Amino acid sequence: RKEVEQDPGPFNVPEGATVAFNCTYSNSASQSFFWYRQDCRKEPKLLMSVYSSGNEDGRFTAQLNRASQYISLLIRDSKLSDSATYLCVVILYNNNDMRFGAGTRLTVKP
Amino acid sequence: GAGVSQSPRYKVAKRGQDVALRCDPISGHVSLFWYQQALGQGPEFLTYFQNEAQLDKSGLPSDRFFAERPEGSVSTLKIQRTQQEDSAVYLCASSFFGTSYEQYFGPGTRLTVT
Repeated sequence: RKEVEQDPGPFNVPEGATVAFNCTYSNSASQSFFWYRQDCRKEPKLLMSVYSSGNEDGRFTAQLNRASQYISLLIRDSKLSDSATYLCVVILYNNNDMRFGAGTRLTVKP
Repeated sequence: GAGVSQSPRYKVAKRGQDVALRCDPISGHVSLFWYQQALGQGPEFLTYFQNEAQLDKSGLPSDRFFAERPEGSVSTLKIQRTQQEDSAVYLCASSFFGTSYEQYFGPGTRLTVT
């Protein structure tokens, strides 16, 4: 079983739609969580950190459920520019290596 | 300011050749990370430097892989006797300090072993 698992998609949604991605992690010692965005043939870029209380940044909302070892990302009012692969990232406590999921591909269509 | 740069951007090597991939991190960033990203997969951790010290090399897939950062800035990832399974994008990232700070990724080096 992979340490970080994501639905690979692809998710194809119309502009303005709301879309949600899920991610599960296997190591209960995981302490830090992030969502990264990666455009085709580009490097990953930090989208947002995920806090225990949940957090929101504009149209993006991230949530963490430690009991279920589950992270989610909600995108409201999708834009064409949101088309990308979204990577779930987990860091173990006191560890310097980031464990990435394989990514969920999103395509937003006009 | 300048971001993380990597060179070369593309490298084609014949099986058995040695390759060296360079990473120039953001100036002042203490931490430097190397990742390997296969097609359709997320990046896989290879190794981590804090200044010139290689603190974690647990992700290096074999002893053919070697990384260094002798002066605490530029880093080189060397792959000896390349194999076809080494074909991937090699990403370098730097952060101010550790994983508590945002990691900034370079554009990657796409290595193809024929």
